[in-house]
Amino acid sequence: QVTLRESGPALVKPTQTLTLTCTFSGFSLTTSGMCVSWIRQPPGKALEWLARIDWDDDKFYRTSLQTRLTISKDTSKNQVVLTMTNMDPVDTATYYCARERVITGGVDFWGQGTLVTVSS
Amino acid sequence: QSVLTQPPSASGTPGQRVTISCSGSSSNIGSNTLNWYQQLPGTAPKLLIYNNNQRPSGVPDRFSGSKSGTSASLAISGLQSEDEADYYCAAWDDSLNGPVFGGGTKLTVL
Repeated sequence: QVTLRESGPALVKPTQTLTLTCTFSGFSLTTSGMCVSWIRQPPGKALEWLARIDWDDDKFYRTSLQTRLTISKDTSKNQVVLTMTNMDPVDTATYYCARERVITGGVDFWGQGTLVTVSS
Repeated sequence: QSVLTQPPSASGTPGQRVTISCSGSSSNIGSNTLNWYQQLPGTAPKLLIYNNNQRPSGVPDRFSGSKSGTSASLAISGLQSEDEADYYCAAWDDSLNGPVFGGGTKLTVL
């Protein structure tokens, strides 16, 4: 059974750095074709992909946020970490981690999401 | 402004068939497979259709997907009240080197 769970602060101040951890089970990020992505959804708005890390440690970032994002993995702990620097109120959103597989052409399992509010 | 274009809303009565469109370009839908996601109110999205027209196990065959050129559509037949949700299309974009989503379509069952 595939599960993903996001953890991190619910509230961050403007200019601070956000660190989110995705802890997953039911699959391994050492398996060929396996990937984990971070996707966010501002309140009442559409989904927005942020970053992805692949089984072979390839990393992909949303172009417009590339300078602020870092994604990494700890395969021994089944965790993927996303950091986003210089947080702003417009970054307020529910942040999801999700599994991607090459064979399904995209995300096939989602975490429940964690709401992050940016406010002073 | 989303890279993939969906109608903001759609509606139908129970038992009806409704379709939701998704329009893109040669760098995304035109050259990569498309997925559809269903997001029930207050919950995380769920994979509904992958690789244009494949259903994951557990998804009723009332849901079907198709793709032609740079456009795709999701069809829901035998509409039920529990189908009321937001629906998103998504595809990898070769120019942006990442997946792109549609703006979402809110389906209302009248």
